[in-house]
Amino acid sequence: SQQGEEDPQALSIQEGENATMNCSYKTSINNLQWYRQNSGRGLVHLILIRSNEREKHSGRLRVTLDTSKKSSSLLITASRAADTASYFCATNGGGGNKLTFGTGTQLKVEL
Amino acid sequence: SQTIHQWPATLVQPVGSPLSLECTVEGTSNPNLYWYRQAAGRGLQLLFYSVGIGQISSEVPQNLSASRPQDRQFILSSKKLLLSDSGFYLCAWSRPDRFTYNEQFFGPGTRLTVL
Repeated sequence: SQQGEEDPQALSIQEGENATMNCSYKTSINNLQWYRQNSGRGLVHLILIRSNEREKHSGRLRVTLDTSKKSSSLLITASRAADTASYFCATNGGGGNKLTFGTGTQLKVEL
Repeated sequence: SQTIHQWPATLVQPVGSPLSLECTVEGTSNPNLYWYRQAAGRGLQLLFYSVGIGQISSEVPQNLSASRPQDRQFILSSKKLLLSDSGFYLCAWSRPDRFTYNEQFFGPGTRLTVL
C-alpha cells in the first residue's frame, strides 16, 4: 500500500503564484524525498530531507518536514508554466534504499 | 556520468503472450535496481528490487518476474500477460545500501498495453 498521500490531488495556479503540496505518511522514516514527473516520462529527483531536518531549500523549492505530524510540504515559489507536472513524495523507512511513493499531486501552471 | 536505459519505449501485446522489458545502467557499479509499475494517474508501485547479481526481492505477488543476469542489467518478464499487466513500467537505480540518504534515478519508462 502507498504510505505517502499527497494533498491536493490536483492544483491549478497562475504563473508567478506559489504552489504548495502536502504529503502525509504513516510510519517512521529515515528520509523523505520529492520527485517530479512530466507526463509520460520518468521521475526526476528534486530534493531529499533527512528525518532530523526540518526545512531545506533548493532554488525555488522549499521543503519542510514535521516528523511529529508525519507530514511534509513542498513549496514552489514564483511558479512557471514549465513547472507543470506531477509531484510525488517518497519515504525511506530505513530498510535499505527502498522508497514508498505517494499518489502524487498534479500541478498545472497556467500563463 | 551515469545513464539508465529502458526499452522498448512502448509495447502492445496480446493477452497470453510473453513479456521481456530490459533496463541497463551505465557509469556506475553494483547499483541497487528497481522495477516499478504506475497505473494511469496513480503513484508508483514497487514490483522488484535487487541489491546484486541474481538477488531479487519481490514486493507483491503477481504475474511478473525479474532477473539480474549482469551487474547493470535488470529484466522484467512474464510468461503470459494479463489485461491487468497494462501500465507504465519504470526502472530505477540507486547507490548501494551502504550509502545512506540516496535518491533514485529513473529511466524513461515503457508503456505496456495488453489487449
